[in-house]
Amino acid sequence: EAGVTQSPTHLIKTRGQQATLRCSPISGHTSVYWYQQALGLGLQFLLWYDEGEERNRGNFPPRFSGRQFPNYSSELNVNALELEDSALYLCASSLQQFFGPGTRLTVL
Amino acid sequence: GENVEQHPSTLSVQEGDSAVIKCTYSDSASNYFPWYKQELGKRPQLIIDIRSNVGEKKDQRIAVTLNKTAKHFSLHITETQPEDSAVYFCAASLRGSTLGRLYFGRGTQLTVWP
Repeated sequence: EAGVTQSPTHLIKTRGQQATLRCSPISGHTSVYWYQQALGLGLQFLLWYDEGEERNRGNFPPRFSGRQFPNYSSELNVNALELEDSALYLCASSLQQFFGPGTRLTVL
Repeated sequence: GENVEQHPSTLSVQEGDSAVIKCTYSDSASNYFPWYKQELGKRPQLIIDIRSNVGEKKDQRIAVTLNKTAKHFSLHITETQPEDSAVYFCAASLRGSTLGRLYFGRGTQLTVWP
């Protein structure tokens, strides 16, 4: 059984650009959770999608958005990138027992 | 919302010694407390969890205790080995809640010296 997958592994952008990150949950899992892990910090909750709907949102500005597709994969979009958006972005499958490998976003 | 505090932020022990990491939470409604281990450059991995109807849970060298009255829970690692070196995160959530999210502590960097 495949685990949680994320793409890309690394992403380098410049300030003001947009970034799109992708996550596929474990087959059969309908929920996807997104977390931001900035260097030296814990995991900060971003978004939770379930059955195609946004169920909960963390304390992040509206330029952080996303969606979930009919196959339950999910996309996280970050608009108007700022330097402080540089972080590891992790997604987790239902029950949050399994995390993906993450996408390392670097904003220059 | 929930607030989870974790101590210490760094912990160094000699191989074979025990290590204890402590967390407190603020929302008495929280009922699920997982612990994650994150090795350098890798994803967090669930190592043990406990639910509020249980006071202690063990899995080989790892144990977690929960004190609901005091709203704190702890991770105990016995007979530490160098491969236990990692960042450990505690978390809390209201399992079954429509909120669904985990609230994480800021992590403890554990270093086990050979």
